[in-house]
Amino acid sequence: LAKTTQPISMDSYEGQEVNITCSHNNIATNDYITWYQQFPSQGPRFIIQGYKTKVTNEVASLFIPADRKSSTLSLPRVSLSDTAVYYCLVGASTSGSARQLTFGSGTQLTVLP
Amino acid sequence: EAGVAQSPRYKIIEKRQSVAFWCNPISGHATLYWYQQILGQGPKLLIQFQNNGVVDDSQLPKDRFSAERLKGVDSTLKIQPAKLEDSAVYLCASSYRVTSYNEQFFGPGTRLTVL
Repeated sequence: LAKTTQPISMDSYEGQEVNITCSHNNIATNDYITWYQQFPSQGPRFIIQGYKTKVTNEVASLFIPADRKSSTLSLPRVSLSDTAVYYCLVGASTSGSARQLTFGSGTQLTVLP
Repeated sequence: EAGVAQSPRYKIIEKRQSVAFWCNPISGHATLYWYQQILGQGPKLLIQFQNNGVVDDSQLPKDRFSAERLKGVDSTLKIQPAKLEDSAVYLCASSYRVTSYNEQFFGPGTRLTVL
């Protein structure tokens, strides 16, 4: 299985930029890195996905170094509603089209007023 | 578009009893996933279907857990018999294809409590 490591928790203030890093030393060569957000009593929600370098969408940026052994989710100007648990998801390749998917343990982000 | 539907939302049973969870994925999504999420942990993949075939069930405790997706649409996950350590939220997700660049859409989950 792919192994991932994330910080357990982070605190930030409204309006600041937050960076959450996930290490995934044995990610499959052909696999993407995906980040999800989860609020209490809800299923995870897709935020962003990338393979290498940098990806940006309307809510976040994802930075992936050349060795792809880690990735950093960047949330610009966070608000109180960004308080949630953030997970990285990677896969380890198997035979055929299967991937052994592994979620990280999650980072609890708390945004303070 | 309708999201992933799951039922029931909550279930309380005693150990050694049986329980079943139902999931209806987003229309047109070929891939369906069942995850177990224990309190304070990330979701753990139990089984992944592509249409009605199993893609990965390497982490499914097959002595007590079973899952099926007979017509390639909705799916049922069963636990028989349940143990105390099965208390968790069971999440169902679907994606258009199994390839890695497809985002997964999650349902609200079923919270199981085993007493």
